[in-house]
Amino acid sequence: GQNIDQPTEMTATEGAIVQINCTYQTSGFNGLFWYQQHAGEAPTFLSYNVLDGLEEKGRFSSFLSRSKGYSYLLLKELQMKDSASYLCAVTDSNYQLIWGAGTKLIIKP
Amino acid sequence: DVKVTQSSRYLVKRTGEKVFLECVQDMDHENMFWYRQDPGLGLRLIYFSYDVKMKEKGDIPEGYSVSREKKERFSLILESASTNQTSMYLCASSPYTDSQNTEAFFGQGTRLTVV
Repeated sequence: GQNIDQPTEMTATEGAIVQINCTYQTSGFNGLFWYQQHAGEAPTFLSYNVLDGLEEKGRFSSFLSRSKGYSYLLLKELQMKDSASYLCAVTDSNYQLIWGAGTKLIIKP
Repeated sequence: DVKVTQSSRYLVKRTGEKVFLECVQDMDHENMFWYRQDPGLGLRLIYFSYDVKMKEKGDIPEGYSVSREKKERFSLILESASTNQTSMYLCASSPYTDSQNTEAFFGQGTRLTVV
């Protein structure tokens, strides 16, 4: 079957760095997305990786290793507003999106 | 900005009622999706549509149907609501593209409670 694994919850301190991991087993691979979802709100797009390596976008970076079926989202200089759930999703060989359950990130002062 | 609008943020319905959830997007996107989101589970695809009057079953279509009479509108129908359909329902749209990077835009969600 197809599976996306990510930690259920993480806690970090304001101003610090946090890495949220995502591992996947899917039938084929056509890209990996990270979305941010604040409580009670819609998910919003953060990043997309289809080739191995690191994609940097301001305080957020996303890394992909296709051979390992692994990605991470790196958040630097954490702010209180970064408290949210972070969803990992993979596009499979049929271009269907397979979603992880999301990681709830709690930022403490 | 792309806007995906769901008709209700919160709904409370009785078991056995027929429920309509409406979704409208204003960016002329070809693709539209209905998901449900439950604690501890990923987004699960109920139905999707790649064109007007076209629909495809997702992973959990049982107990649901959809309608897409116009390109901008995609409706989710619960034929006879049951308590296990209490959930957050999210609508999304995306453009048709040859690129693999097809970002989905989500509505605010409808929290449905069936009592």
